[in-house]
Amino acid sequence: GQQVMQIPQYQHVQEGEDFTTYCNSSTTLSNIQWYKQRPGGHPVFLIQLVKSGEVKKQKRLTFQFGEAKKNSSLHITATQTTDVGTYFCAALNQAGTALIFGKGTTLSVSS
Amino acid sequence: DVKVTQSSRYLVKRTGEKVFLECVQDMDHENMFWYRQDPGLGLRLIYFSYDVKMKEKGDIPEGYSVSREKKERFSLILESASTNQTSMYLCASRGISYNEQFFGPGTRLTVL
Repeated sequence: GQQVMQIPQYQHVQEGEDFTTYCNSSTTLSNIQWYKQRPGGHPVFLIQLVKSGEVKKQKRLTFQFGEAKKNSSLHITATQTTDVGTYFCAALNQAGTALIFGKGTTLSVSS
Repeated sequence: DVKVTQSSRYLVKRTGEKVFLECVQDMDHENMFWYRQDPGLGLRLIYFSYDVKMKEKGDIPEGYSVSREKKERFSLILESASTNQTSMYLCASRGISYNEQFFGPGTRLTVL
């Protein structure tokens, strides 16, 4: 079935360093969504990207959708301990009925 | 404020038992979903429903069934629980006009 590949699986950074997670698909995506799951919590929607080459920012978070709509990235500038958690990308399946999630990138931050 | 609730946060069952996991959403969403989350495997879709009494298989439906008798409620059923079904189960809902999914708090099921 359709897959969304996400790398890296884990990332540890020192507080203040930057962090990036990448999402790739072999097929063209209609859109891509990003979710954050805090330790012990449930995934919470962050953003949706729809247009080719789209870039959106939320404070220290920058989200990009590739020109070919086959890849996406989430970049966090100057990480803080509050950024700890697992970040998932997700895309609609080909039928447009359900979200398929990447395996997630778990970010840990040491102060 | 959208709210998705799940009947239990923690559940311990024995092998062979029939298990019901309940999910309720209060925003009149058409679509509801059941995922399981396991370390290193991310979120995997078990079943989903786009309307009352309608259901569709996800990527890993084996060993599970679902029921949606009312729009706000979506139940996941393990007919005969097995130890490999020990996992975190997450319910989600989504309206027809929005792609954003709202997740419940999850049920951590342990099958002994």
